[in-house]
Amino acid sequence: DGGITQSPKYLFRKEGQNVTLSCEQNLNHDAMYWYRQDPGQGLRLIYYSQIVNDFQKGDIAEGYSVSREKKESFPLTVTSAQKNPTAFYLCASSIDRLAGVDEQFFGPGTRLTVL
Amino acid sequence: SQQGEEDPQALSIQEGENATMNCSYKTSINNLQWYRQNSGRGLVHLILIRSNEREKHSGRLRVTLDTSKKSSSLLITASRAADTASYFCATNNAGNMLTFGGGTRLMVKP
Repeated sequence: DGGITQSPKYLFRKEGQNVTLSCEQNLNHDAMYWYRQDPGQGLRLIYYSQIVNDFQKGDIAEGYSVSREKKESFPLTVTSAQKNPTAFYLCASSIDRLAGVDEQFFGPGTRLTVL
Repeated sequence: SQQGEEDPQALSIQEGENATMNCSYKTSINNLQWYRQNSGRGLVHLILIRSNEREKHSGRLRVTLDTSKKSSSLLITASRAADTASYFCATNNAGNMLTFGGGTRLMVKP
């Protein structure tokens, strides 16, 4: 899982609550990403950030929010507006290249369950 | 949007056999990458092939890319039980994003 940590590993949320998933990296990467994975499916991009204090929506940003106040940290908040938040959430980072993205390094993931 | 689609969705083989997985995509790419995911874990990068390359090797892995057919294949030779995992292709077609396919679930029986 490289130099990326995610916490907690398991998270339970009641309907109507906001929860924040942590992602920290010590790889000195500029770019960070949040993905959602549903059972038996591939990854879908929620948000990404190429530089501190800047981030962009991915394919499924509705009901989620992020911040990038520090290079090492990219927390994801799952809000009550997200209708079906139960999923496996993966954070990743990569070196930011002008010519595109190379290898992404992934954290171990957080499994969120809504009760 | 799902750029890459893997085929087959599931594959079961005996230890020692070769495993081949295919990936098709829709738009032009900068590079195509293959990742592995053990159950309930994060993804691990296996290999990257650029749009101007046709074949790449890494240990028991061989990746080919055919940009005219918009397809790639991942071959794992002499498979081991420890190769049991899901394998995903991901394409980088613009900017700093990757688009992942749905994956191939490989089971290698001892």
